[in-house]
Amino acid sequence: NFMLTQPHSVSESPGKTVTISCTRSSGSIASNYVQWYQQRPGSSPTTVIYEDNQRPSGVPDRFSGSIDSSSNSASLTISGLKTEDEADYYCQSYDSSNQVFGGGTKLTVL
Amino acid sequence: QVQLVQSGAEVKKPGASVKVSCKASGYTFTSYDINWVRQATGQGLEWMGWMNPNSGNTGYAQKFQGRVTMTRNTSISTAYMELSSLRSEDTAVYYCARAPVYAMYYFDYWGQGTLVTVSS
Repeated sequence: NFMLTQPHSVSESPGKTVTISCTRSSGSIASNYVQWYQQRPGSSPTTVIYEDNQRPSGVPDRFSGSIDSSSNSASLTISGLKTEDEADYYCQSYDSSNQVFGGGTKLTVL
Repeated sequence: QVQLVQSGAEVKKPGASVKVSCKASGYTFTSYDINWVRQATGQGLEWMGWMNPNSGNTGYAQKFQGRVTMTRNTSISTAYMELSSLRSEDTAVYYCARAPVYAMYYFDYWGQGTLVTVSS
């Protein structure tokens, strides 16, 4: 099994841009799609990015995803930060038999 | 609209079993896999396994092999997750989440979660 490592927390001001990384421990990040989920306190997770860089309908284009094979990592970028973006964010990927979540990143918008 | 509605909170003693249900509506139940993910208080998401409601096929995370069973009743569009030999570390919110059979990695809708508390 592989692991996905995320920073524990990030913070930024409203209106700014923040990027959250997700590094895969073994195997290529490009081999399997990466998804990103947002979880607000007391709520179930919701998808903000699927298949590396696709946004579900209803997710604003301020959210974008990418992968970088050189660092074997995926990134979630949120531009024009709003206070409502404050939440925990989880990356997720898979291999032939398992789904794997990153440990989560707490985003504070202050 | 797609909904996954889970059963209510449970309190169990160590060594007991718990069975959580997940009732689907707003889509064809057999066209999407059901995954189960748990989250201990203040912790991250942990994938437990998946089930294909059409075939009944399952796949479990190694950590839960031998302790978890995922089943379904297609006549009422409901999936079940049973966890046995409960211990205090199993105290968590348990979520069901659906995934398209053509994109088994993408959990597009989640249930509201079921809190399972294991305490003597």
